[in-house]
Amino acid sequence: SQTIHQWPATLVQPVGSPLSLECTVEGTSNPNLYWYRQAAGRGLQLLFYSVGIGQISSEVPQNLSASRPQDRQFILSSKKLLLSDSGFYLCAWSGSGLTIYEQYFGPGTRLTVT
Amino acid sequence: EDQVTQSPEALRLQEGESSSLNCSYTVSGLRGLFWYRQDPGKGPEFLFTLYSAGEEKEKERLKATLTKKESFLHITAPKPEDSATYLCAVKSSGTYKYIFGTGTRLKVLA
Repeated sequence: SQTIHQWPATLVQPVGSPLSLECTVEGTSNPNLYWYRQAAGRGLQLLFYSVGIGQISSEVPQNLSASRPQDRQFILSSKKLLLSDSGFYLCAWSGSGLTIYEQYFGPGTRLTVT
Repeated sequence: EDQVTQSPEALRLQEGESSSLNCSYTVSGLRGLFWYRQDPGKGPEFLFTLYSAGEEKEKERLKATLTKKESFLHITAPKPEDSATYLCAVKSSGTYKYIFGTGTRLKVLA
């Protein structure tokens, strides 16, 4: 069966500090990978998605970046955090290609920028 | 532009009081509509996929239906453990992206 991991679970960082959130998927190959941010009481905002190693599509211009160094690894980064980067970050995977697959989500990372 | 609207934003039910949640969508070529349940502080949990108008899916006290413009999540005789936020999402043809609604926060009182 497939599982998706995210770490850390919670993170408190000062403004201006760097960020690295990691997501890994087990039990599948060549998945589509996604990063979302969810503000309190709000829906899911798509930040990045990747359909293959090294292939990143950005949905929202901001100070965040994403990388996919391995098939089942997706990393969200920032060089300098802003207060507005606080939120609940979710990684998700779906089957490869454009086939209609449901997405499966990780447990999330709660980021608080102080 | 693809869009998903969920209503109501919040719903309080007594245990056993059946109701429905609505998900209205505007997409160019719907390929799939998805329902998720999200508990506080956790990632969304997949519930159902609906592909075409007229389709229905059931799981325990939940039943999802789909028309050409909207989907309903019917909750029959809910229990307090059904309390959660329910999210709806759509995927249109030719895209890797999923568009999510803002969710319905359901509270079932004992």
